[in-house]
Amino acid sequence: EADIYQTPRYLVIGTGKKITLECSQTMGHDKMYWYQQDPGMELHLIHYSYGVNSTEKGDLSSESTVSRIRTEHFPLTLESARPSHTSQYLCASGSTSGGNNEQFFGPGTRLTVL
Amino acid sequence: KNQVEQSPQSLIILEGKNCTLQCNYTVSPFSNLRWYKQDTGRGPVSLTIMTFSENTKSNGRYTATLDADTKQSSLHITASQLSDSASYICVVSDRGSTLGRLYFGRGTQLTVWP
Repeated sequence: EADIYQTPRYLVIGTGKKITLECSQTMGHDKMYWYQQDPGMELHLIHYSYGVNSTEKGDLSSESTVSRIRTEHFPLTLESARPSHTSQYLCASGSTSGGNNEQFFGPGTRLTVL
Repeated sequence: KNQVEQSPQSLIILEGKNCTLQCNYTVSPFSNLRWYKQDTGRGPVSLTIMTFSENTKSNGRYTATLDADTKQSSLHITASQLSDSASYICVVSDRGSTLGRLYFGRGTQLTVWP
């Protein structure tokens, strides 16, 4: 079983609040990813990181920001949450070695903005 | 455009029955194809992975097939159980990306009734 953790699992907040979704992995993976998933839809990549101090925006435009100060930690922050940010956020990690591009997913954070 | 299409969108079967889920993709250059199982409110978990040279892979009651020429894959579930109720996602990786980019289908929502 993959050792990748996300907190909180569920979050209900009001519009305008600042939130940080936590993601940690203990596998020493260099690559980490954030995906957004709405019910019945595919996962959309919103942020990724090749390693410490590396962050890039993904395919889906997002108002969130990320940081990668430590290998194992990849938090996502929303400065001012809005109802349009309501979604499930999935964190994943993967290794450069091996060549099969496998990604291991966390359990997700279900965010609801009222 | 790299795409992954899955069918059916949803499926209901009785416990103990078999079923087959389909996946068509246009991702190129192709690296590998995975089937993930995603329980409601959880992150996806890998079931099988197949590279270009593999045309079948089994994991317990799950058997995946791949036809790289027609760019089609299927996931066959034998003797279904209630715990098989989940979304099954076809994920294709391309060979040209150092990121390890994955292309996700929207999933087939499988419901197993007693």
